[in-house]
Amino acid sequence: ETGVTQTPRHLVMGMTNKKSLKCEQHLGHNAMYWYKQSAKKPLELMFVYNFKEQTENNSVPSRFSPECPNSSHLFLHLHTLQPEDSALYLCASSQPSGSFYEQYFGPGTRLTVT
Amino acid sequence: ILNVEQSPQSLHVQEGDSTNFTCSFPSSNFYALHWYRWETAKSPEALFVMTLNGDEKKKGRISATLNTKEGYSYLYIKGSQPEDSATYLCAYPGAVNYGGSQGNLIFGKGTKLSVKP
Repeated sequence: ETGVTQTPRHLVMGMTNKKSLKCEQHLGHNAMYWYKQSAKKPLELMFVYNFKEQTENNSVPSRFSPECPNSSHLFLHLHTLQPEDSALYLCASSQPSGSFYEQYFGPGTRLTVT
Repeated sequence: ILNVEQSPQSLHVQEGDSTNFTCSFPSSNFYALHWYRWETAKSPEALFVMTLNGDEKKKGRISATLNTKEGYSYLYIKGSQPEDSATYLCAYPGAVNYGGSQGNLIFGKGTKLSVKP
């Protein structure tokens, strides 16, 4: 148990659906991240939030829309996705001071777009 | 774009064997090098964050060394056990080189270790 939870763990959605992924951390961290893991590719950073402010958008298509209402919660809103967006989406959090941004990951949401 | 390279891609060893793998990263403007362990169906878990050239860190049977001048880190597992089977990832805060946050990590593809009993 890393202190970072993600729901749902599995999601199947059609290309015209709208869905949201949720991440919650119970570690008191101030930075939260969304990563994408596609088959045979390294973990790719998508978005970064520091103190609820988005500080990084790694050229992610607008069909992915993040939201960070407070330092403990992070959402990824999905709409009109493509089949190539099927992947494992991981959330992580970190606390900068004294830890060199060591990241704590959630278990991920396995997304399948049909 | 700064790349992080890991080798080998996969490794199969027998229980009791010792093994090691490599992570290569850009050697300029070094800040930190992260190692993570990712077991199937679980969350990636931090093993080490290394910051000093020549640093060596140890956790049980797992240890890591760092050479920032030549841009590589080795991860060693002594006497591998089946529970060591996992993918081992290294990551580097490449964004610091263009003013980004040290938390913006660039990951390698990982080394997948399988330990047979």
